Amino acid sequence: KNQVEQSPQSLIILEGKNCTLQCNYTVSPFSNLRWYKQDTGRGPVSLTIMTFSENTKSNGRYTATLDADTKQSSLHITASQLSDSASYICVVPNAGGTSYGKLTFGQGTILTVHP
Amino acid sequence: KAGVTQTPRYLIKTRGQQVTLSCSPISGHRSVSWYQQTPGQGLQFLFEYFSETQRNKGNFPGRFSGRQFSNSRSEMNVSTLELGDSALYLCASSLAAGGLQETQYFGPGTRLLVL
Repeated sequence: KNQVEQSPQSLIILEGKNCTLQCNYTVSPFSNLRWYKQDTGRGPVSLTIMTFSENTKSNGRYTATLDADTKQSSLHITASQLSDSASYICVVPNAGGTSYGKLTFGQGTILTVHP
Repeated sequence: KAGVTQTPRYLIKTRGQQVTLSCSPISGHRSVSWYQQTPGQGLQFLFEYFSETQRNKGNFPGRFSGRQFSNSRSEMNVSTLELGDSALYLCASSLAAGGLQETQYFGPGTRLLVL
């Protein structure tokens, strides 16, 4: 069964600190892995899309890593800001399909940044 | 360029009623997908439309239906509402037919409360 597991479920950090969110997946066949940020009451916004051949990808203070051998990904947030408070969702499409119906979503990690 | 818009943003209905939600994709985008998001189940795929054709459907009962118009705008309908249908309904658009490496752009969602 295709699954995406995220940890921790929630995380509280102080402004300016770094943090790392984890995503383990068992989706097969694998095409790519996406990280989304969802602010409360709003739709998800794409942060990164990582393909099989990419190990690291950065988007400003966000850095995603991918280990296709161990089927793990992490999202590292540097120098956190209050605006980073959100839910971070890991999403893996099943390459056995060609449409968005094959997306498997993680439950998300709720990050809270305190001043 | 305007983003994905969804109307209405908030809706309160009672059990047994039906509801229609609307989604206008980003100009030029031809693919529209719908998702249900609840605290317990997270994000779940409902349907995907491309060029007025339903390409894929998630594991939801027949009470959930949708359609896409020639201008790519999409609607979803839920008939005989149940309490468990209370959720945030998200619409996402992308340029083409759900290429696995395409970015989806989400709307703000419609929050439906069924009493």
